[in-house]
Amino acid sequence: DIVMTQSPDSLAVSLGERATINCKSSQSVLYRSDNKNYLAWYQQKPGQPPKMLIYWASTRESGVPDRFSGSGSGTDFTLTISGLQAEDVAVYYCQQYYTTLVTFGGGTKVEI
Amino acid sequence: QVQLQQWGAGLLKPSETLSLTCVVYGGSLSGHYWTWFRQPPGKGLEWIGEINHSGVANYNPSLKSRVSISVDTSNNQFSLKMNSVTAADTAVYYCARGGDWYDFWGEGTLVTVSS
Repeated sequence: DIVMTQSPDSLAVSLGERATINCKSSQSVLYRSDNKNYLAWYQQKPGQPPKMLIYWASTRESGVPDRFSGSGSGTDFTLTISGLQAEDVAVYYCQQYYTTLVTFGGGTKVEI
Repeated sequence: QVQLQQWGAGLLKPSETLSLTCVVYGGSLSGHYWTWFRQPPGKGLEWIGEINHSGVANYNPSLKSRVSISVDTSNNQFSLKMNSVTAADTAVYYCARGGDWYDFWGEGTLVTVSS
């Protein structure tokens, strides 16, 4: 199984400031034949299912605010929230889909 | 807009069988994989398995011996069965659309296993 490790476990950010979440995979999720990184990011608020934010490591899902951005390649990825809003308080997960057995990071809790 | 509505028993005794169903509204089962996840209270997400409209299924090896996922195209729904449950199976179970990333999710069903 590909192990996804997120850091930090939690972070507190002031409103309007930047939040940076890191995700590292135990093996590369870059598929050479199409040069795509098989990685997605989700936001989960209490009592709700996850909401997809980003796929292919950096492509924002339709309707997701542009303050959310994804970057990275191979084994190291970052989710950045530029200009944190109150509604962004949530747990964020990375997920690899390089293998059929998809796996998630342990989550990063973002607070104000 | 695709919506997933799920239902099933929320309280089970050890050794019983978990049974959940997810009906898809606003879209066809064709062209997608349909997936089950679970999330123990306060913990992360675990992929249980997936199925497509033709009935081709894949399972998490750690659960494969106890899990079965089926599809009912006539009712646009898919189902999860997990036998011989224990307290370790207590979790919120989600259905979702996708075989790579997951763009539509059910609201989740809390399944508690307790004697």
